[in-house]
Amino acid sequence: QKEVEQDPGPLSVPEGAIVSLNCTYSNSAFQYFMWYRQYSRKGPELLMYTYSSGNKEDGRFTAQVDKSSKYISLFIRDSQPSDSATYLCAMFRTPQKLVFGQGTRLTINP
Amino acid sequence: EAQVTQNPRYLITVTGKKLTVTCSQNMNHEYMSWYRQDPGLGLRQIYYSMNVEVTDKGDVPEGYKVSRKEKRNFPLILESPSPNQTSLYFCASSSPLAGEPQYFGPGTRLLVL
Repeated sequence: QKEVEQDPGPLSVPEGAIVSLNCTYSNSAFQYFMWYRQYSRKGPELLMYTYSSGNKEDGRFTAQVDKSSKYISLFIRDSQPSDSATYLCAMFRTPQKLVFGQGTRLTINP
Repeated sequence: EAQVTQNPRYLITVTGKKLTVTCSQNMNHEYMSWYRQDPGLGLRQIYYSMNVEVTDKGDVPEGYKVSRKEKRNFPLILESPSPNQTSLYFCASSSPLAGEPQYFGPGTRLLVL
């Protein structure tokens, strides 16, 4: 069983839709939760970063953490074709070791 | 511009021929790390370094070596590459504070024949 589970998709939605991306994890010691966005042939870039349970909003993006359920989510409102990318959840197993989900490939259709 | 750079970006080699992938960052970060990315497996950590001359194994270190002689550079060495090391490799750096997010380079695509 993987430490971090993420549905690899692919996920295809029409422009303007609300997108929900999710990860579950097994180790309650995990902390500092992140979402990275990776465009084709590029390195991952940090999108959202949260520590505690609850919601964090940044423009059209909302990151949600539920530590009791070991579940994190990323919501994208008013999705745009430029949001088409692979989204990776990540969290620290220890201060030095970052563990990633498999990534979800998202396509926003105009 | 703050960035992590990697060279080469693309590399085709043959089994057993030693190679080095360089990584450099200009953000004065103490922490640096190497990952490989494979379909269905996501990003997995190979080695990391907390500072100059301090390195440690990640989750998939077999077949790789690293060194950290200078703060800005963290090369990845494959002394005898094998086809199962064909992958997309990323270098990353961050400050050493707990939970600081890592910043990634553009990637090196390696094919071992």
